[in-house]
Amino acid sequence: GQQLNQSPQSMFIQEGEDVSMNCTSSSIFNTWLWYKQEPGEGPVLLIALYKAGELTSNGRLTAQFGITRKDSFLNISASIPSDVGIYFCAGQKRTQGGSEKLVFGKGTKLTVNP
Amino acid sequence: NAGVTQTPKFQVLKTGQSMTLQCAQDMNHEYMSWYRQDPGMGLRLIHYSVGAGITDQGEVPNGYNVSRSTTEDFPLRLLSAAPSQTSVYFCASSYPGLRVGNYGYTFGSGTRLTVV
Repeated sequence: GQQLNQSPQSMFIQEGEDVSMNCTSSSIFNTWLWYKQEPGEGPVLLIALYKAGELTSNGRLTAQFGITRKDSFLNISASIPSDVGIYFCAGQKRTQGGSEKLVFGKGTKLTVNP
Repeated sequence: NAGVTQTPKFQVLKTGQSMTLQCAQDMNHEYMSWYRQDPGMGLRLIHYSVGAGITDQGEVPNGYNVSRSTTEDFPLRLLSAAPSQTSVYFCASSYPGLRVGNYGYTFGSGTRLTVV
């Protein structure tokens, strides 16, 4: 099946530091999404990217849709303890049958030390 | 607005037992999906539906059945549970289309299933 390579797998940082994580794929996607999952909860959408080259911010979060449509990155600036969680990238594309499916990366587990 | 509701939140089954994981959404979303989440594996698609009466297999469909008789509900059935099906299951729904404003999938809070 389709694979999204997400890195790093985990990060341990100090409060106030900036964070960067990325996803790459051998396939082209029409939409890139970034989700955050907190313990015991389902993933929650952070940022959605719809066009190649698009750079979008949501507070301290910034994400970009790669020009080749095969990659995306997420940056978190000035991290705080509540940023702790697992961050997932997801690529969305329309299949030949007209339906749409999300393909997820394996996640980046972020730990922020106060 | 409840969003996506999954029940039960926790379940323990014996090998060979059957059960149904419930999923309901009140956002009139056409697309609904089931994912399983295992440590180090991310989220893997089990089955999905593009509308009432239409379902299709995802990446890991074996051992699971689905049906979609209404827009709101998308139950996932385990006919004969196996220890390999121990996992956290998430239901998700979405509007169709890749247009701007379609903010991807909305997820439920998950069902944690243990098969012993």
